[in-house]
Amino acid sequence: QQQVKQSPQSLIVQKGGISIINCAYENTAFDYFPWYQQFPGKGPALLIAIRPDVSEKKEGRFTISFNKSAKQFSLHIMDSQPGDSATYFCAASATYFGNEKLTFGTGTRLTIIP
Amino acid sequence: NAGVTQTPKFQVLKTGQSMTLQCAQDMNHNSMYWYRQDPGMGLRLIYYSASEGTTDKGEVPNGYNVSRLNKREFSLRLESAAPSQTSVYFCASRRQVLNTEAFFGQGTRLTVV
Repeated sequence: QQQVKQSPQSLIVQKGGISIINCAYENTAFDYFPWYQQFPGKGPALLIAIRPDVSEKKEGRFTISFNKSAKQFSLHIMDSQPGDSATYFCAASATYFGNEKLTFGTGTRLTIIP
Repeated sequence: NAGVTQTPKFQVLKTGQSMTLQCAQDMNHNSMYWYRQDPGMGLRLIYYSASEGTTDKGEVPNGYNVSRLNKREFSLRLESAAPSQTSVYFCASRRQVLNTEAFFGQGTRLTVV
């Protein structure tokens, strides 16, 4: 049972374009939605995160859009650069009996072409 | 500042062999996690530990055991390795404060033949 559904599986964008990755969730107990970036041979690292009390968060060229009623959130990368080529994971966090569990989407391999 | 350190980085096992993956963090985090990463499957939680002395199952615990040795260390044991356990394993840690960043190690690439 995939609690966080992510699409597309892979994405190719031209340099300077906008990259958009989408995620959807079912569990309304989720209360924290981070995005992680992973380069080959490395562990994932936090890129940007949002809480459900806001609809958008922007950090530099990276923006999360959050739609609580639709239970969807997306990552937008503006002016995409070759250095942004990586695998991106959305995630959602919920607390169960005092313990936090972080559930990941299946990942999107992003390639930025010159 | 080492962060989260995993050993070994690579390992090849024969079916039926056992091994322990080691993980240590130096950030004084309470929560620690073990994930496996497989193509098209994302990161799936195997086990986690909210604090020293406690462990809980994640999504895919079968075939694994864990030990939270102390606050710093969280090990993952494969008692009888199977080819289906071929994967990249990541350890992560997190402060036990709501909605905080998880820090990942570099991963262990395990192949079971």
